[in-house]
Amino acid sequence: ETGVTQSPTHLIKTRGQQVTLRCSSQSGHNTVSWYQQALGQGPQFIFQYYREEENGRGNFPPRFSGLQFPNYSSELNVNALELDDSALYLCASSLELGTGETQYFGPGTRLLVL
Amino acid sequence: AQSVTQLDSQVPVFEEAPVELRCNYSSSVSVYLFWYVQYPNQGLQLLLKYLSGSTLVKGINGFEAEFNKSQTSFHLRKPSVHISDTAEYFCAVTYTGTASKLTFGTGTRLQVTL
Repeated sequence: ETGVTQSPTHLIKTRGQQVTLRCSSQSGHNTVSWYQQALGQGPQFIFQYYREEENGRGNFPPRFSGLQFPNYSSELNVNALELDDSALYLCASSLELGTGETQYFGPGTRLLVL
Repeated sequence: AQSVTQLDSQVPVFEEAPVELRCNYSSSVSVYLFWYVQYPNQGLQLLLKYLSGSTLVKGINGFEAEFNKSQTSFHLRKPSVHISDTAEYFCAVTYTGTASKLTFGTGTRLQVTL
């Protein structure tokens, strides 16, 4: 069983640009969640997808958007990048949608916005 | 609002000594609690979780945690730490009806020395 993978591992962008981060969930996992982890902080929930539909969103502006595909891959898109978007972005997959489901995290993508 | 408090940002401890990492959460009718560990440049790995039943939960790598509803706490303990336990530890909570969104504390850095 393969774990959760993310690409790229590191990324440098400039303010105002757009970025797409990718995640490959564990096979069979229908739920994917994205988190933003600023330096020295705990992860903050961005949004969650279940069977390709958004199923909950945290306090992030609409320029953060996502997609989930039938092949257990997903994307996080961020438009109009701001300096404060610099962070580690983590995706996590789980088998189903239950509140107590274990979420399995990928290694993250570290984004630096200059 | 849902919140998790990890009062200790850093905990230094000698190898083979016991350790307790503290976690308190905002009260709710139904709550599920998790401890995750993050090693440098890696994603988060689940140590243990409490869903219901016995208040003492045993996890991987010799860690355990005790759920205390009256004190809204979920402290993590290990009777004898190893150098390899040096990492960042995050307490997290989910509440029913929140799309299994994990709300994390700010983390505790466990530093084990000889």
